[in-house]
Amino acid sequence: GNSVTQMEGPVTLSEEAFLTINCTYTATGYPSLFWYVQYPGEGLQLLLKATKADDKGSNKGFEATYRKETTSFHLEKGSVQVSDSAVYFCAFPGSARQLTFGSGTQLTVLP
Amino acid sequence: DTGVSQNPRHKITKRGQNVTFRCDPISEHNRLYWYRQTLGQGPEFLTYFQNEAQLEKSRLLSDRFSAERPKGSFSTLEIQRTEQGDSAMYLCASSLGGQGGNEQFFGPGTRLTVL
Repeated sequence: GNSVTQMEGPVTLSEEAFLTINCTYTATGYPSLFWYVQYPGEGLQLLLKATKADDKGSNKGFEATYRKETTSFHLEKGSVQVSDSAVYFCAFPGSARQLTFGSGTQLTVLP
Repeated sequence: DTGVSQNPRHKITKRGQNVTFRCDPISEHNRLYWYRQTLGQGPEFLTYFQNEAQLEKSRLLSDRFSAERPKGSFSTLEIQRTEQGDSAMYLCASSLGGQGGNEQFFGPGTRLTVL
């Protein structure tokens, strides 16, 4: 069945450090891929997306590239800020567009 | 505010009681989803509506759960005879119909605690 495997957290980084959060998926075909973010006390928000192989999604300095060969969609940011502290979820839609989410990765950025 | 809203934000109930949650989606969105999120996990799909029709239900949605979207606008999720295992955050999301990876917009959730 469909599934998403995310890098386990929590992840703690110093400000301006480089971030990678790994995500691999198992799905039928080549679905669109998403990263959602959940800031403390807030609802889930779409961070970025990619709709086909080799697409790169980007937003707020974050990037992720849809790699069909490795079924991966790793999230990266070159220089994290304290305000990036949140839980990050990798996800993709199923047949009814319902999202299958990974278990989430808690990121804490220290000043 | 034209985002997805959910009420109540928090609900504490005793085991065996019934609870009902409400979701108001973004007004032009015809698709509505319910998810459940437990601590340390990602959201899990429960059910999905296109307009007023309930088109998909997860096996997680036991007989004690029922969802409605009577006029294709707001939706309610009812849990009968609540159990402690029902304690979770219940999330609602909405999206436009059509093909492709349409973004789902999430509400803030209703946190249910069953004592």
